[in-house]
Amino acid sequence: DAGITQSPRHKVTETGTPVTLRCHQTENHRYMYWYRQDPGHGLRLIHYSYGVKDTDKGEVSDGYSVSRSKTEDFLLTLESATSSQTSVYFCAISPLGSGPNNEQFFGPGTRLTVL
Amino acid sequence: EDQVTQSPEALRLQEGESSSLNCSYTVSGLRGLFWYRQDPGKGPEFLFTLYSAGEEKEKERLKATLTKKESFLHITAPKPEDSATYLCAVQGDVYNQGGKLIFGQGTELSVKP
Repeated sequence: DAGITQSPRHKVTETGTPVTLRCHQTENHRYMYWYRQDPGHGLRLIHYSYGVKDTDKGEVSDGYSVSRSKTEDFLLTLESATSSQTSVYFCAISPLGSGPNNEQFFGPGTRLTVL
Repeated sequence: EDQVTQSPEALRLQEGESSSLNCSYTVSGLRGLFWYRQDPGKGPEFLFTLYSAGEEKEKERLKATLTKKESFLHITAPKPEDSATYLCAVQGDVYNQGGKLIFGQGTELSVKP
């Protein structure tokens, strides 16, 4: 298994509160990604990072921010959580740019409920 | 716009009954097509990458094939433990320095003993 952990694994919060999800990798991959998975929408990219302090937006980035201060950690922050952000969040890592392989490996997910 | 459509949405098989899952795609230059397996409550598990039309890859009872418009995941003599949702994703190579994946909505496979 790829060395990816996510924390917390489950969280219930209230509308308007800030929430931070953490992704930690032990593979030293340059690329890291945050996705959300919802019924009827599949997996959608929120933000990604291509190095320390280097990040870019995905297709559903509104209401989310990210930070990457170390290669191994990628944080996703919901500045003011809304019920529409209730979802399962997955972190992924990729050896893209390090060789011929460009697949993504996923973490176990965080189930977030915003009441 | 890059797009992925998977069919059927759900598939029920008897143990040993072979079948295929379809992934149709449109992409501006294909860098790779990926198959994943996802069990309930878990993250997607990487299965295969296909890079060019005509390529085939196998793993146990699974075989993935690729044409210029679609990919098939063939399941030969499935077992109950093959029950899962199978996801297909494409990675375009135009304006995609980040290696972003576009996912289909998946096919939920159920194999009954």
